[in-house]
Amino acid sequence: DADVTQTPRNRITKTGKRIMLECSQTKGHDRMYWYRQDPGLGLRLIYYSFDVKDINKGEISDGYSVSRQAQAKFSLSLESAIPNQTALYFCATSDRGLEQYFGPGTRLTVT
Amino acid sequence: AQSVTQPDIHITVSEGASLELRCNYSYGATPYLFWYVQSPGQGLQLLLKYFSGDTLVQGIKGFEAEFKRSQSSFNLRKPSVHWSDAAEYFCAVGASDYKLSFGAGTTVTVRA
Repeated sequence: DADVTQTPRNRITKTGKRIMLECSQTKGHDRMYWYRQDPGLGLRLIYYSFDVKDINKGEISDGYSVSRQAQAKFSLSLESAIPNQTALYFCATSDRGLEQYFGPGTRLTVT
Repeated sequence: AQSVTQPDIHITVSEGASLELRCNYSYGATPYLFWYVQSPGQGLQLLLKYFSGDTLVQGIKGFEAEFKRSQSSFNLRKPSVHWSDAAEYFCAVGASDYKLSFGAGTTVTVRA
């Protein structure tokens, strides 16, 4: 089984809808991250969490929120989806070091 | 804040030929440097990392990278490319706040 899983893998939703992307990990890592990937822009950090009680904004947090339900679970929500949130979303984890381990990604399309 | 530039958006290389991908970083202190690969439809996989010590770093899949502080570079190389190396490659720099900054990526196409 994969160490970092993301659900759903693909999602099409309409403008204005609320959507949640979920991430689970079995690596036992404290730190979890959400990124979005856009062509030509690489990966940009949305939110990160260093433990269950710690939530921090990344460089592009507007329009997003997160929830760290447990050490192993970190969810990303779009309260009211808009078309420019169409992107590939990645969850990642790390232990006390800098090396991050990525999930397979969720491709989100907002119409 | 740290940043990464990957000057080449797209590189095409023949199978069996050598490959070099460029990465330049900006960071005021000692950087922690990474190369990740993303195959089509897949997540990112770590190829190699540099934290300290020997400036020539060996990674998986036959890749290596060389850290050059004077040039603020961390270029990735492979002596002989295989068709399975077609992918997108990302350079990243990490700082003491445990966040990574990624470059825009370089797409590698391998022709037969």
